[in-house]
Amino acid sequence: KNQVEQSPQSLIILEGKNCTLQCNYTVSPFSNLRWYKQDTGRGPVSLTIMTFSENTKSNGRYTATLDADTKQSSLHITASQLSDSASYICVVSTGGGNKLTFGTGTQLKVEL
Amino acid sequence: KAGVTQTPRYLIKTRGQQVTLSCSPISGHRSVSWYQQTPGQGLQFLFEYFSETQRNKGNFPGRFSGRQFSNSRSEMNVSTLELGDSALYLCASSLQIMNTEAFFGQGTRLTVV
Repeated sequence: KNQVEQSPQSLIILEGKNCTLQCNYTVSPFSNLRWYKQDTGRGPVSLTIMTFSENTKSNGRYTATLDADTKQSSLHITASQLSDSASYICVVSTGGGNKLTFGTGTQLKVEL
Repeated sequence: KAGVTQTPRYLIKTRGQQVTLSCSPISGHRSVSWYQQTPGQGLQFLFEYFSETQRNKGNFPGRFSGRQFSNSRSEMNVSTLELGDSALYLCASSLQIMNTEAFFGQGTRLTVV
């Protein structure tokens, strides 16, 4: 069964600090891995998309890594801001197309 | 450039009724996919349409169906509504079907009473 697991489930950090979110997947066949940010009551917004040949990809203060051998990915957020408070969802695309398998997300809260 | 538009934003229906949700993709995008989001199950893939043809399908009962029109606009229909169908239904559009960015709409919040 295709699964995407994320950890931690929730996280509280102080503004300005860095944090790393983890994603493990057992999805086959693998097409690409995406990280999304979802604010409460809104649709997810894409942060990064990586194919199996890409090890790292950055989008501003967000840096995603992918290890296709161990089937692990991480999302590193640098110098966190209050606006980073959201759910971060790891998503794996199977066998092409947009048949996406979603993780349950990490709920991040950034506090003063 | 307009984003993905979903209508309506909110909907309340009674058990046993049917409902149709609409999604207008970003101009030029030909792929539209649908997802259900609930607190218990998270986001789950429903189906994907490309060039008016269903290309991928998730594990949902036949009560859930969809279609895509020649202008790429898509509709999703749920028949014989159940309480468990209460969820946020999200639509995403992509330029192509393979390895391309998916842009999500704001969703339709469906409540079944």
